[in-house]
Amino acid sequence: AQRVTQPEKLLSVFKGAPVELKCNYSYSGSPELFWYVQYSRQRLQLLLRHISRESIKGFTADLNKGETSFHLKKPFAQEEDSAMYYCALTTSGTYKYIFGTGTRLKVLA
Amino acid sequence: DGGITQSPKYLFRKEGQNVTLSCEQNLNHDAMYWYRQDPGQGLRLIYYSQIVNDFQKGDIAEGYSVSREKKESFPLTVTSAQKNPTAFYLCASSTSGSEQYFGPGTRLTVT
Repeated sequence: AQRVTQPEKLLSVFKGAPVELKCNYSYSGSPELFWYVQYSRQRLQLLLRHISRESIKGFTADLNKGETSFHLKKPFAQEEDSAMYYCALTTSGTYKYIFGTGTRLKVLA
Repeated sequence: DGGITQSPKYLFRKEGQNVTLSCEQNLNHDAMYWYRQDPGQGLRLIYYSQIVNDFQKGDIAEGYSVSREKKESFPLTVTSAQKNPTAFYLCASSTSGSEQYFGPGTRLTVT
């Protein structure tokens, strides 16, 4: 069955420290992977997707098909990065998305 | 801002009453979705629709119903059969295999 796993419900790091939010997936085909972010009092929005291979707000994520992972990384966390982060999966040509349970990131001053 | 809108922002209902949540999009997206967001459980799919007059059950469809009479609109009815309806409901839209655009959400409280 298709599944997206985010093992950490809460991740706390100090400002300036590196941050890695983990995402593992199970899917037999070729997935499209996304990271969405929800800042306080804002709507859920796309942060980045693996096919674009770009860095958004200093965040990057590499799709590792061997380890079926799509971890989100940032070398130096900032307080404004505090938010809820969701990893999601879909497949090209379909409309169904699978979301992980989310990780709340708290960046401490 | 346009895009995808949900109304109302807050909704209060008595137990045993049906309630309908509105979702409208002007993005010309084919697909629309309803999710339920609960603390610690992430986003759980209730229903989705790929095209007008067609929709599919998600993982937690029991106690909910939808309609898709227009491309722009995908209302969700929370029926009295839903055992735990108090939650935050998110609507989204997308094209195939692309990112989803989310509405601001409706917080439903049933007492």
